[in-house]
Amino acid sequence: KNEVEQSPQNLTAQEGEFITINCSYSVGISALHWLQQHPGGGIVSLFMLSSGKKKHGRLIATINIQEKHSSLHITASHPRDSAVYICAVDNTDKLIFGTGTRLQVFP
Amino acid sequence: GAGVSQTPSNKVTEKGKYVELRCDPISGHTALYWYRQSLGQGPEFLIYFQGTGAADDSGLPNDRFFAVRPEGSVSTLKIQRTERGDSAVYLCASSSTGLGTQYFGPGTRLLVL
Repeated sequence: KNEVEQSPQNLTAQEGEFITINCSYSVGISALHWLQQHPGGGIVSLFMLSSGKKKHGRLIATINIQEKHSSLHITASHPRDSAVYICAVDNTDKLIFGTGTRLQVFP
Repeated sequence: GAGVSQTPSNKVTEKGKYVELRCDPISGHTALYWYRQSLGQGPEFLIYFQGTGAADDSGLPNDRFFAVRPEGSVSTLKIQRTERGDSAVYLCASSSTGLGTQYFGPGTRLLVL
């Protein structure tokens, strides 16, 4: 069993839909990161959180430390949101990554 | 430069050859990380530098892999006697301290034939 599990692995949506990506982890963490990776490999950090909820534009990330679970929500999805979304946890001094959720948003 | 840069962007080599991959972190960032990402997988941790020293090299798969950061800025990942299984995207990231947001480079795509 992977230390960081994401679901779903693949997700398709129509433009405008509300999207949720889930992440569960089994190790102790100091923080959790949500990352976005576009085709070609570039990775961008979206959020780093250790408790509660953060919001940036149409993106919202929540974390429940007791349940070892985090969610990334995208409101009013757009085709430009199409990418791989990766959950990663800070475990001591390194990141442990999930395998990613591939999101495709169609017009 | 404004971000993390990596060179080369692509590297094709033959099995058994030696390769070096370079990472230029954001200026002033003391923490530098190397990750490896195979097709369809999330990145995997290789090594973490704090300054010039390797604080954690537990992710290096074997002794063919070695990394240095002699002056605490640029880092080089070195792979000896490359194998086809080493083919992957090698990602570098830097962070201002080691506890904060990591900024990723574009990666080096290594193909071992």
